Amino acid sequence: GAVVSQHPSWVICKSGTSVKIECRSLDFQATTMFWYRQFPKQSLMLMATSNEGSKATYEQGVEKDKFLINHASLTLSTLTVTSAHPEDSSFYICSARDLREPSYEQYFGPGTRLTVT
Amino acid sequence: GENVEQHPSTLSVQEGDSAVIKCTYSDSASNYFPWYKQELGKRPQLIIDIRSNVGEKKDQRIAVTLNKTAKHFSLHITETQPEDSAVYFCAASRGTAGNKLTFGGGTRVLVKP
Repeated sequence: GAVVSQHPSWVICKSGTSVKIECRSLDFQATTMFWYRQFPKQSLMLMATSNEGSKATYEQGVEKDKFLINHASLTLSTLTVTSAHPEDSSFYICSARDLREPSYEQYFGPGTRLTVT
Repeated sequence: GENVEQHPSTLSVQEGDSAVIKCTYSDSASNYFPWYKQELGKRPQLIIDIRSNVGEKKDQRIAVTLNKTAKHFSLHITETQPEDSAVYFCAASRGTAGNKLTFGGGTRVLVKP
């Protein structure tokens, strides 16, 4: 199956700073990638849909000015958490679908654990 | 938008017994229903999926059933083993190129030896 990577796997930052998380499709091109957030012992919640070459589509309640998404190439999407606060501490996971495959399967990155102190 | 509800939230079974997790969805246009297993700190791992043109699918000890009319689908794990202990999530999507997934709340499964 296809492979999606994320970097970094974990990051600790101070309150008020910004953090960038990268999501890469390693062996396929992804015109669309998805960003999820998962708090401890909770489900995955979709934050936004990242579209190559155009603006991201944010889910209701997600601040687009706080969570900046850039999908500048067919293999890379980035999520920047701006002015991070402790309540932004979470597990961030991206996913993408390989459109060459007839299945609807989405491939998930390994996730990024963000801790804001 | 889509809403997916999952029950139970926790499930404890004896090794060798069966486990059943149920989900309901709200969007009648959803046509793709994957199930994921997630271990602590790891990415969700697809264990089985089903499309709306199929009523049942089986893969060794795992099976999924779908009732489109009632808008619910279930995961069945037979002959459970300790390594089946994890959190399981159901999800639903419209299965198009922009197929964002809506997840259920998750079920924590504990298989007791």
